[in-house]
Amino acid sequence: GAVVSQHPSWVICKSGTSVKIECRSLDFQATTMFWYRQFPKQSLMLMATSNEGSKATYEQGVEKDKFLINHASLTLSTLTVTSAHPEDSSFYICSASSKGSGNTIYFGEGSWLTVV
Amino acid sequence: QKEVEQNSGPLSVPEGAIASLNCTYSDRGSQSFFWYRQYSGKSPELIMFIYSNGDKEDGRFTAQLNKASQYVSLLIRDSQPSDSATYLCAADNDYKLSFGAGTTVTVRA
Repeated sequence: GAVVSQHPSWVICKSGTSVKIECRSLDFQATTMFWYRQFPKQSLMLMATSNEGSKATYEQGVEKDKFLINHASLTLSTLTVTSAHPEDSSFYICSASSKGSGNTIYFGEGSWLTVV
Repeated sequence: QKEVEQNSGPLSVPEGAIASLNCTYSDRGSQSFFWYRQYSGKSPELIMFIYSNGDKEDGRFTAQLNKASQYVSLLIRDSQPSDSATYLCAADNDYKLSFGAGTTVTVRA
């Protein structure tokens, strides 16, 4: 079964509204989670590194005020897309590492965001 | 230069044949390398990872790593139609993955 769960799997929102996506590690504690974005027929691009109890680290070109990341506990990280626009429509995927099982990195199921 | 580059696809192989996928990386600090399979519209699934030079086999899959050449490959033996997917190579730097663009494989029945 899944060890990293994302919710919702898909969401449609109106332009200008905000959307929150949750990423949970189910069987382990993840001090670090990662958020990726994937546009159709393109590869995954790392957006930010989510650190439990501290500020997220954003990759170059990713607006931290637009993509708010909160990692309030060892099993939950959230990504909030604020003031969403149609160009934010994408597949958002989180990952978490389970150091207890080597360096395996688990991905969530992904969340499809469509902004209309 | 992209951090991780994969051989351009798509790759079409007949059922039962060997599919060969190649990947090069630029960051010598990368320690671990992953191969993921991604079906359309789905999240990546881990096939295998490798961190030591040489070969690593898991069922029908064999990963090869050559750190001197900064090269990683994946062989899929006895290819099945269910192997048709996009294969992503990723290099790990402290659990942060850099992905290649992916190679789409189609296995013809």
